[in-house]
Amino acid sequence: QQQVKQSPQSLIVQKGGISIINCAYENTAFDYFPWYQQFPGKGPALLIAIRPDVSEKKEGRFTISFNKSAKQFSLHIMDSQPGDSATYFCAAERGSNYKLTFGKGTLLTVNP
Amino acid sequence: NAGVTQTPKFQVLKTGQSMTLQCAQDMNHEYMSWYRQDPGMGLRLIHYSVGAGITDQGEVPNGYNVSRSTTEDFPLRLLSAAPSQTSVYFCASSPTGTGANVLTFGAGSRLTVL
Repeated sequence: QQQVKQSPQSLIVQKGGISIINCAYENTAFDYFPWYQQFPGKGPALLIAIRPDVSEKKEGRFTISFNKSAKQFSLHIMDSQPGDSATYFCAAERGSNYKLTFGKGTLLTVNP
Repeated sequence: NAGVTQTPKFQVLKTGQSMTLQCAQDMNHEYMSWYRQDPGMGLRLIHYSVGAGITDQGEVPNGYNVSRSTTEDFPLRLLSAAPSQTSVYFCASSPTGTGANVLTFGAGSRLTVL
């Protein structure tokens, strides 16, 4: 049972465009939703995270939108740059049980 | 600070061989974990530890053993390697008690089982 579903699998965006990656979850007990960014040959790194008590969180060009009733959350990358080309993973955690459940990832390519 | 250090970076094994992937962190993190990353499958939790002497299973624990004798080290053992264990393995750590699991990942260990 896949608890966090991520789409699309891959995404190509032109420089300056908006990249949007979506995730849906099933377990309503999840209460922490981070996004991780992974460059080729590197380990993932935390990009931005949100809790369900807020509907949106913005850090620079990166924004998480959260819809608790729909059990969905999304990452928006504004003014996408070639340096943003990476694989992005959404994830979810329940309480403090230290078990992050990851989505399958989205390969983002930003063309110059 | 070195962060999370994994060794080796690359390893080729034959079916049935055993080996240990090493993971060390110098951030005094209580929580450590092992994930495997396979194409199209994302990151899947193998085992984790919330402190020295305490380990627990994740989503895909079969075929792997772990132990945690010190805060710094969390080795992952493959007792009898199988081709299905060909993957990239990531070790990650996090401070305890945050309630929000901010993981610091190592650079990964790429394992091929022939």
